[in-house]
Amino acid sequence: DAGVIQSPRHEVTEMGQEVTLRCKPISGHNSLFWYRQTMMRGLELLIYFNNNVPIDDSGMPEDRFSAKMPNASFSTLKIQPSEPRDSAVYFCASSLLGGEGETQYFGPGTRLLVL
Amino acid sequence: QQPVQSPQAVILREGEDAVINCSSSKALYSVHWYRQKHGEAPVFLMILLKGGEQKGHDKISASFNEKKQQSSLYLTASQLSYSGTYFCGTVPKENAGNMLTFGGGTRLMVKP
Repeated sequence: DAGVIQSPRHEVTEMGQEVTLRCKPISGHNSLFWYRQTMMRGLELLIYFNNNVPIDDSGMPEDRFSAKMPNASFSTLKIQPSEPRDSAVYFCASSLLGGEGETQYFGPGTRLLVL
Repeated sequence: QQPVQSPQAVILREGEDAVINCSSSKALYSVHWYRQKHGEAPVFLMILLKGGEQKGHDKISASFNEKKQQSSLYLTASQLSYSGTYFCGTVPKENAGNMLTFGGGTRLMVKP
């Protein structure tokens, strides 16, 4: 299996621009997670989906952030408008709901820099 | 609620042992251990589900105490490749599901 796929791997944008991050989970997995990682705040869960339905979005920082999962093989995380404090590495992870312990497998991440 | 990891950082010489602890104030459903190398994604190491459980592979093992509030990761005869940041992720028993809360991480550096 190709594992979790994320794109782009790197993104540099200017403050105020819209940023869209993409994720393809492992085939057959039915849970998807978006995380943000910074030196200051560590690894934070932003939102997660089970069977394409958002379950918990309490970690989403504010209304500028939105996430969608239109089907089982694709999800997006959008930031509009972006701000310098959004600079971070954004990881997508997937797991099999009901699998043993529901181990999460992480994608390679998207490094976002907002100038 | 975020689990507490200790120590925050440790430096070892190749061949030395290390223990990393992960503690929660509440009983847990599961503990997951991950290792992240610089510039890479976290990689799953192992999961513990049962109180009193011990498991491992190669020279990396972990335990889960009977009360299911603390887990320890054991690295024996450390190798250079063990360097990285180790995270525990926990799922509370009262809200068992698939949502992990990660600890702050333990930075491990193994020197020749």
